[in-house]
Amino acid sequence: ELKVEQNPLFLSMQEGKNYTIYCNYSTTSDRLYWYRQDPGKSLESLFVLLSNGAVKQEGRLMASLDTKARLSTLHITAAVHDLSATYFCAVDSRLNDYKLSFGAGTTVTVRA
Amino acid sequence: DTAVSQTPKYLVTQMGNDKSIKCEQNLGHDTMYWYKQDSKKFLKIMFSYNNKELIINETVPNRFSPKSPDKAHLNLHINSLELGDSAVYFCASTLSRGIAGYTFGSGTRLTVV
Repeated sequence: ELKVEQNPLFLSMQEGKNYTIYCNYSTTSDRLYWYRQDPGKSLESLFVLLSNGAVKQEGRLMASLDTKARLSTLHITAAVHDLSATYFCAVDSRLNDYKLSFGAGTTVTVRA
Repeated sequence: DTAVSQTPKYLVTQMGNDKSIKCEQNLGHDTMYWYKQDSKKFLKIMFSYNNKELIINETVPNRFSPKSPDKAHLNLHINSLELGDSAVYFCASTLSRGIAGYTFGSGTRLTVV
């Protein structure tokens, strides 16, 4: 079974500083996803990473993938209050019937 | 236009009742899913249908029965509701098993009292 571990589970950020969320997964995956969820809302797709070395950036968020280490990182640059949310990584694989397996989520709170 | 829509958004019901949640997508996707998000925000897949055929059936009590009348719709019927069924249920869809990414509905918050 494909297992996905995120850390930290909770992250209190100070505005203006940089932080990283880590996502490890247990077996070969085809794709890695990052989602954002605001309280009481749906999951919003942030990034899809397909291959080793992939790096994607959108605003203050940058995601990267190292398939050899089975590790993805979500880097937050100069945190702002609007980034407060829960961030999930998820992976799927043809070996796992393309079941999207989620990490436990990282709850981010940005304080002034 | 909402891409993946779920109804109802909120559902409060008593233990022992039977209830249904409906999901429709207008993206032309061929694969649909039900996920359960518990109180700790953990998301776990329950079922998946590809072109109306059940392809994933996780370890879910058989009180839960999905139905897909066509590839744009996936409903979830729950019999004899229990307190532990309280959660947020998300519908999701994709094309060709993930090639288009996954689009999630807005969720149905089920509370069993």
